[in-house]
Amino acid sequence: VLTQSPATLSLSPGEGATLSCRASQIIVRTKLAWYRQKPGQPPRLIIYHTSSRASGVSDRFIGSGSETDFTLTISRLEPEDFGIYYCQQYDGLTLTFGGGTRVDLK
Amino acid sequence: QMQLQESRAGPVKPGETLSLICSVSGGAVSSSNYYWGWIRQSPGKRPEWLGYVYHNDKAFYNEFLKTRVTLSVDTSSNHFSLKLTSVTVADTAVYFCVRTMRDTSGFSIDVFDLWGHGSTVIVSS
Repeated sequence: VLTQSPATLSLSPGEGATLSCRASQIIVRTKLAWYRQKPGQPPRLIIYHTSSRASGVSDRFIGSGSETDFTLTISRLEPEDFGIYYCQQYDGLTLTFGGGTRVDLK
Repeated sequence: QMQLQESRAGPVKPGETLSLICSVSGGAVSSSNYYWGWIRQSPGKRPEWLGYVYHNDKAFYNEFLKTRVTLSVDTSSNHFSLKLTSVTVADTAVYFCVRTMRDTSGFSIDVFDLWGHGSTVIVSS
């Protein structure tokens, strides 16, 4: 089970954000990804292998962590960064997602 | 540029079988580079992976749904399919078809870098 915190972050453009994803079991081989979803759209892949940015993703997004604790740090928030962020593990036989952190415009 | 497009699902009643097709354009479902899958999302909930299938019809399923889910590939029509049996209202969701990503080493990894727009499925009597 993946647990994300906080549930909601209310921030202004230019601020930084720190999102947490905690796993109930150790995730080996860095098999943790992050997605962002906007209303009415499918999720978009942001980070894979814990810290590798997907194609076209800004270097303002930094993924880190290991074992059970993972973090997505977003610096200098821009308007397009707002949405719901989900983590996903792909270490087990069944792929699972976290409950999400909503990053709202303050 | 490859794109995925889900079919529309008609009204589905409890106990019936849900069937969806994902049409692939700009690429071939027969490619050995990717797995082709389905993820659903109920309103306000986290995404839920249902499974994925390889071009040779080898499929892998969510362990909690595997008795009800069947995925298959049709290389002649360049699409892949989802069947979900014995649906209930809990199966009401947006169903996305997806493609796994190839990492920089050329291996397919179990994250999804291409998604369809989604097909809304409502199960109701």
